[in-house]
Amino acid sequence: KQEVTQIPAALSVPEGENLVLNCSFTDSAIYNLQWFRQDPGKGLTSLLLIQSSQREQTSGRLNASLDKSSGRSTLYIAASQPGDSATYLCAVIIQDQGGKLIFGQGTELSVKP
Amino acid sequence: NAGVTQTPKFRVLKTGQSMTLLCAQDMNHEYMYWYRQDPGMGLRLIHYSVGEGTTAKGEVPDGYNVSRLKKQNFLLGLESAAPSQTSVYFCASKTYRVAGVWNTQYFGPGTRLTVL
Repeated sequence: KQEVTQIPAALSVPEGENLVLNCSFTDSAIYNLQWFRQDPGKGLTSLLLIQSSQREQTSGRLNASLDKSSGRSTLYIAASQPGDSATYLCAVIIQDQGGKLIFGQGTELSVKP
Repeated sequence: NAGVTQTPKFRVLKTGQSMTLLCAQDMNHEYMYWYRQDPGMGLRLIHYSVGEGTTAKGEVPDGYNVSRLKKQNFLLGLESAAPSQTSVYFCASKTYRVAGVWNTQYFGPGTRLTVL
């Protein structure tokens, strides 16, 4: 059974710091891996989607990497800002159940001014 | 283009009551999903649909029923609500794979349900 784990569960950093969020999964048979952002009381916003054949994706200050063989992904946030404060969720997309997402429990990020 | 909308946003039920959550999408997506989000458990798939008139069970389907009579709508029903169904419910949709690639799911804003 696929399981997704995110470390750390919570992270507090000063503004301007570069940071890394970690995601690991137990079964390398995934289609894609996706990072989402969730603000309190809100839905999920997709940040980056990495296809299984890719190693990384970049969008602005965000860079996500994928290593299927080791079952790991990282989300790198450069020059963090208070507006980056949110919960970041990692999810893998598997073949069955309509290409469902299996989520980690998230990392709650707080960026202090 | 409203994307994915959910009705209602909040609801409080008493044990044993029934209700229906409505999800609507205006992106002409084929796939639709219902997830629940609980502290310490992450998001888990309840039911999903791969097209109009079809539904299937996800990881945690017990106590829920769904229907997809129209392509744009996906309904989640609770026939006899229990306190264990207190949760935040999210609906999502996406289109078919293109060239073998799964696309992103688009999520609604969620429905916060409390069962007393």
